Amino acid sequence: GQQVMQIPQYQHVQEGEDFTTYCNSSTTLSNIQWYKQRPGGHPVFLIQLVKSGEVKKQKRLTFQFGEAKKNSSLHITATQTTDVGTYFCADTSMDSNYQLIWGAGTKLIIKP
Amino acid sequence: GAGVSQSPSNKVTEKGKDVELRCDPISGHTALYWYRQSLGQGLEFLIYFQGNSAPDKSGLPSDRFSAERTGGSVSTLTIQRTQQEDSAVYLCASSADRTNSPLHFGNGTRLTVT
Repeated sequence: GQQVMQIPQYQHVQEGEDFTTYCNSSTTLSNIQWYKQRPGGHPVFLIQLVKSGEVKKQKRLTFQFGEAKKNSSLHITATQTTDVGTYFCADTSMDSNYQLIWGAGTKLIIKP
Repeated sequence: GAGVSQSPSNKVTEKGKDVELRCDPISGHTALYWYRQSLGQGLEFLIYFQGNSAPDKSGLPSDRFSAERTGGSVSTLTIQRTQQEDSAVYLCASSADRTNSPLHFGNGTRLTVT
């Protein structure tokens, strides 16, 4: 079945450095949703990308959908302690009865 | 407005006992999902309800797990004869319809089987 590969599993950064997580698929993605889960919390929806090549920004966060709709990325500029958590991508797959196919998540860790 | 409500927030049970976890979705949301998340891990899909359609039970790990959704609203996840490997956070989420709507998660139920 369809899989969404998300890398890296972890990223350690100094506060103020940038962070990027990538989601890739061998098949065409339908729509990508991004979620953030703070430590001890539950996933919270950030944004949805629908169109090929789409770029959306939320303050220091930039979300991109690849031209071929086979990859997506989330980039955070100048990380802050409030950015700590795990970032998940998910594809809304029509092939799976509209199930969300989740990436494994990337954990953002700020070095002390 | 009210979000997704799950109860209890924490549950400690002895191995072999049955447990029921409850999820009250956002009013009007037709889709309801149950996920399981072990410590530091990703989201493991368990079951999906959409309106009046037959639920997608493909993620249930064994026949000890079952779920119901009554009246298209509240859902109960039941785990019979709990095992230690069932210990995890059980997350419920709802969404407005079957296509592309974002999921709204509850705070989860942390289940510990001793």
